[in-house]
Amino acid sequence: KAGVTQTPRYLIKTRGQQVTLSCSPISGHRSVSWYQQTPGQGLQFLFEYFSETQRNKGNFPGRFSGRQFSNSRSEMNVSTLELGDSALYLCASRPGSGNQETQYFGPGTRLLVL
Amino acid sequence: AQSVTQLGSHVSVSEGALVLLRCNYSSSVPPYLFWYVQYPNQGLQLLLKYTSAATLVKGINGFEAEFKKSETSFHLTKPSAHMSDAAEYFCAVSRYGNNRLAFGKGNQVVVIP
Repeated sequence: KAGVTQTPRYLIKTRGQQVTLSCSPISGHRSVSWYQQTPGQGLQFLFEYFSETQRNKGNFPGRFSGRQFSNSRSEMNVSTLELGDSALYLCASRPGSGNQETQYFGPGTRLLVL
Repeated sequence: AQSVTQLGSHVSVSEGALVLLRCNYSSSVPPYLFWYVQYPNQGLQLLLKYTSAATLVKGINGFEAEFKKSETSFHLTKPSAHMSDAAEYFCAVSRYGNNRLAFGKGNQVVVIP
C-alpha cells in the first residue's frame, strides 16, 4: 500500500496570506490527524477527522481549520499567516478511531512564512 | 491531562554501545505508549508501541522498550548502536477517550564512530 502523501512538500508564503495543505491517507484509513512541528514547541496536535467529522481539536487559534472529504483525504487551512506559523506540518492516518491504533505519518509540508 | 518527559535533548553514543532513551509519562489512566523515529526531512516512523499486552515490547531495527507502571516509564533501548540510528526519537502517549498523541520533546541521537 502507498503511504500517507502530503502536498506540497515545501511552501513559502508571506504574512497575511492564507495556505491550504493537503493530505491523502493510506487506502482504507478513515482517520486523519494533523500535527505542527517547530523547534521551540515540538510536536503539537492540531485536529483529527474521522468520517468527515472533526473529533478532536488542539489548542490553536481559529485561523487553523481543516476538513475531510468522503474519500478520507483531508485539507488544513491557515488564514492570515503569521511568522510563527513557520513549521513542519505533519499528517497522520490510521484505520479507525482506536487509541491503540498506530498513526502513520506522511513526510510533512514545510511551510516558511516571510 | 497527559504529558511525556524525555530528558536530554541531545544524546551521543559510540557505535556499538548501548542506546538508552528515557521516557516518563503522566496519565491518570493506563495509557498507550509509542516510540517514533524521525530521520532528516522525513515524517515519523513507528518503532514500537505498548498497548497493555506484553510489558516488554520489541520493535524494528533492534529496538525494544519496557513498560514499567510503578515507575511510569517506557524507556527505549538498543544493545548496539549503528551509524544508521542517528535520528530524532520521540516518545508519545495516548489514552482511552483522547484521540490525540501527546509527544515528548524528542532526543536527537548522534552516533560517534
